[in-house]
Amino acid sequence: AQSVAQPEDQVNVAEGNPLTVKCTYSVSGNPYLFWYVQYPNRGLQFLLKYITGDNLVKGSYGFEAEFNKSQTSFHLKKPSALVSDSALYFCAVRDMGSGTYKYIFGTGTRLKVLA
Amino acid sequence: GAGVSQSPSNKVTEKGKDVELRCDPISGHTALYWYRQSLGQGLEFLIYFQGNSAPDKSGLPSDRFSAERTGGSVSTLTIQRTQQEDSAVYLCASSSGPGQGNNEQFFGPGTRLTVL
Repeated sequence: AQSVAQPEDQVNVAEGNPLTVKCTYSVSGNPYLFWYVQYPNRGLQFLLKYITGDNLVKGSYGFEAEFNKSQTSFHLKKPSALVSDSALYFCAVRDMGSGTYKYIFGTGTRLKVLA
Repeated sequence: GAGVSQSPSNKVTEKGKDVELRCDPISGHTALYWYRQSLGQGLEFLIYFQGNSAPDKSGLPSDRFSAERTGGSVSTLTIQRTQQEDSAVYLCASSSGPGQGNNEQFFGPGTRLTVL
């Protein structure tokens, strides 16, 4: 079965420090992987995606993610966290087994950047 | 506006009543998704529409839930005989084609449903 896991419910990081939000996946075939962010009282916004090519993907707001096939991971990273990065982050993978373009989302990780 | 819109933004209803939630996708987007976001549960896929193809209804939790998409644009999610466990934020998203599999989704602000 296709699945995606975000093992941390919450991540706390000091402003200016690097941050990592973890995501692992289980799919058949080549994965299509996405990160979305949900700021307080706002809708989900696309951050970045991995389809093919370079394992390091750069996205919006200075975020990047590294696709690691051997570890089946797609961790979200940022070199220097901002207080404004505090939000709920979702990892998603396309369900390759469904025969349609259905996506599976993780349970979300709440990032709190402390001033 | 150019984004996905949903109405109403908030809906409070009594147990047993029917509700209809509306989604207006981005013009020209052929794919439309409905999700449910419950506290601590992440996003739960409900249903997916792609053009004129039969929808993927595999995520609908019970036969009380149904959705339709008229004219390939506006979609309505209907919940019949609402239960308290239906309380959640219902999110709609749209995506452009034809390469649906690698295109990001654009989400609406959601409808917060509270069943008393």
